[in-house]
Amino acid sequence: GENVEQHPSTLSVQEGDSAVIKCTYSDSASNYFPWYKQELGKGPQLIIDIRSNVGEKKDQRIAVTLNKTAKHFSLHITETQPEDSAVYFCAAREEFNKFYFGSGTKLNVKP
Amino acid sequence: DAGVIQSPRHEVTEMGQEVTLRCKPISGHDYLFWYRQTMMRGLELLIYFNNNVPIDDSGMPEDRFSAKMPNASFSTLKIQPSEPRDSAVYFCASSSPGVTEAFFGQGTRLTVV
Repeated sequence: GENVEQHPSTLSVQEGDSAVIKCTYSDSASNYFPWYKQELGKGPQLIIDIRSNVGEKKDQRIAVTLNKTAKHFSLHITETQPEDSAVYFCAAREEFNKFYFGSGTKLNVKP
Repeated sequence: DAGVIQSPRHEVTEMGQEVTLRCKPISGHDYLFWYRQTMMRGLELLIYFNNNVPIDDSGMPEDRFSAKMPNASFSTLKIQPSEPRDSAVYFCASSSPGVTEAFFGQGTRLTVV
């Protein structure tokens, strides 16, 4: 099955700085890569996603890049704010609707 | 839509007792997933259903775990007997062919003492 690895496990940045979280996957058949944000006491919520036929996608301060050849994808958050502090998960979808999640990155944005 | 609804939000039980977690998926979604989240292992897929039929239960850790989906609007995850190592947050999520993302419920925090 698919194996998704995520780094770093914790990330601390100053407000206004950028944050980058990286993931790798193992199954070249994976075709959809969502990123989820989980706030304390809540379930994960989708913040951005990318399909395998696209290299980059941007939505305001967040962007995701995908390198299919190298099997890695990254989340970029610019101009970080304290409310960006949360746990972020990457995921890869292998067969239709079966998601595999990374281990999570705890992002702390210091005011 | 109210989203994916899970109950209870918190459950504390004694070792050996039966525990039942409940989930109501988003109306119209025909995929339902059960995940377990722990510090050590992150988010693990336990089982998923399509049109109420279990498709893949390879993530279910032991025979003590069972899941059912008697109809399109309800699913249960049962642990019998429960053990302290089952303590975790259990999430239910739903999706459909027309929607790529999985929508998660708020989770059930299970503590087995």
